[in-house]
Amino acid sequence: DSGVTQTPKHLITATGQRVTLRCSPRSGDLSVYWYQQSLDQGLQFLIHYYNGEERAKGNILERFSAQQFPDLHSELNLSSLELGDSALYFCASSVAESGSSPLHFGNGTRLTVT
Amino acid sequence: AQSVTQLGSHVSVSEGALVLLRCNYSSSVPPYLFWYVQYPNQGLQLLLKYTTGATLVKGINGFEAEFKKSETSFHLTKPSAHMSDAAEYFCAANLQTGANNLFFGTGTRLTVIP
Repeated sequence: DSGVTQTPKHLITATGQRVTLRCSPRSGDLSVYWYQQSLDQGLQFLIHYYNGEERAKGNILERFSAQQFPDLHSELNLSSLELGDSALYFCASSVAESGSSPLHFGNGTRLTVT
Repeated sequence: AQSVTQLGSHVSVSEGALVLLRCNYSSSVPPYLFWYVQYPNQGLQLLLKYTTGATLVKGINGFEAEFKKSETSFHLTKPSAHMSDAAEYFCAANLQTGANNLFFGTGTRLTVIP
């Protein structure tokens, strides 16, 4: 158990809809990262927050947004969903903002867009 | 361009045989390097990491990896494969100073043949 909690585990929705994925980091970790894992793209970094502030953006679509709240949990919002958004979305946390700290991953949310 | 390359998307070894999973990186700055393992329906779990110091690092489950700067490589090895090692393995590198943004390789699926 990594200590990172992601909900829900599975999500099935239709194209055009909006969903919210939630992540609770390990106790004491201030950084939260979101990754998308799909068969054709592999693991893609989406966004990084540290102590409530956005720190880095990766291959995140404009239809996607995220935030980290004062209690350090994070939410990833996906809107105007397309079939190609079907993927496994991982949240990871680490204690530091940068450098050598490893990431601790949750078990992911599997999103299926029909 | 900064990248992480894993040679071989699928590797099969016999139980008891040597495991060798290859990883090369491309970076303009000395990277921090990581190996993660993913079991089915689970998140990624840290196997080992290299930050500074000794270039041969030992991880969990008998795995180790050696950082070779001259070859820009960080190959993962285990002397004797066990059935429980069957999983997907990801090499990752923090290629940017001042940012904890991990670049992941495309993964190598390890099959262990009894």
